[in-house]
Amino acid sequence: AQSVTQLDSQVPVFEEAPVELRCNYSSSVSVYLFWYVQYPNQGLQLLLKYLSGSTLVKGINGFEAEFNKSQTSFHLRKPSVHISDTAEYFCAVSEWGGSEKLVFGKGTKLTVNP
Amino acid sequence: EAEVAQSPRYKITEKSQAVAFWCDPISGHATLYWYRQILGQGPELLVQFQDESVVDDSQLPKDRFSAERLKGVDSTLKIQPAELGDSAMYLCASSRGLAGPDTQYFGPGTRLTVL
Repeated sequence: AQSVTQLDSQVPVFEEAPVELRCNYSSSVSVYLFWYVQYPNQGLQLLLKYLSGSTLVKGINGFEAEFNKSQTSFHLRKPSVHISDTAEYFCAVSEWGGSEKLVFGKGTKLTVNP
Repeated sequence: EAEVAQSPRYKITEKSQAVAFWCDPISGHATLYWYRQILGQGPELLVQFQDESVVDDSQLPKDRFSAERLKGVDSTLKIQPAELGDSAMYLCASSRGLAGPDTQYFGPGTRLTVL
């Protein structure tokens, strides 16, 4: 069975600073990897996904993530954050050839301060 | 842009009462998911439909929860009787059902409070 660990429950940063949200996963088979964002009282929106190929994946709103198979990590980065990036971020995995069920981490609350 | 619709957005009920949530996926999406998100946690899959058939309901508490998607379009999730521990956000998602995996699109959710 897969599992996802998001190492930081809360990350406070100042506006225009860089940010990295960490995600590690565990699985006995190959996986697909995802980052979703959730704004208050809303559903989840896909930021980016890794399926195969280049390990550096670019997503919406200036976010990118890098897949590292040896470290089983998929950390999310943004070089300069805005107040509007304040939200909860979820890392998720699904198995290759499986039912496409997403297994989520517990989330990281990003707070961008002026 | 097409969206997943859910209703109601908020529901307050007393324990032992019955509650029902409705989801209308994006038109043409064959796969529909119901997730439960407890406060401070990530979403957890309750049930997955492919058209009108259940693909995975291994985490659905079947003694009190039921889900249906009779015509393979919209879906209803029911809880009877509700318990205090059922307080959570219930999220519906849909995807085209293509292999691959396909992107799941989430609705705004129904926030349930059980008193």
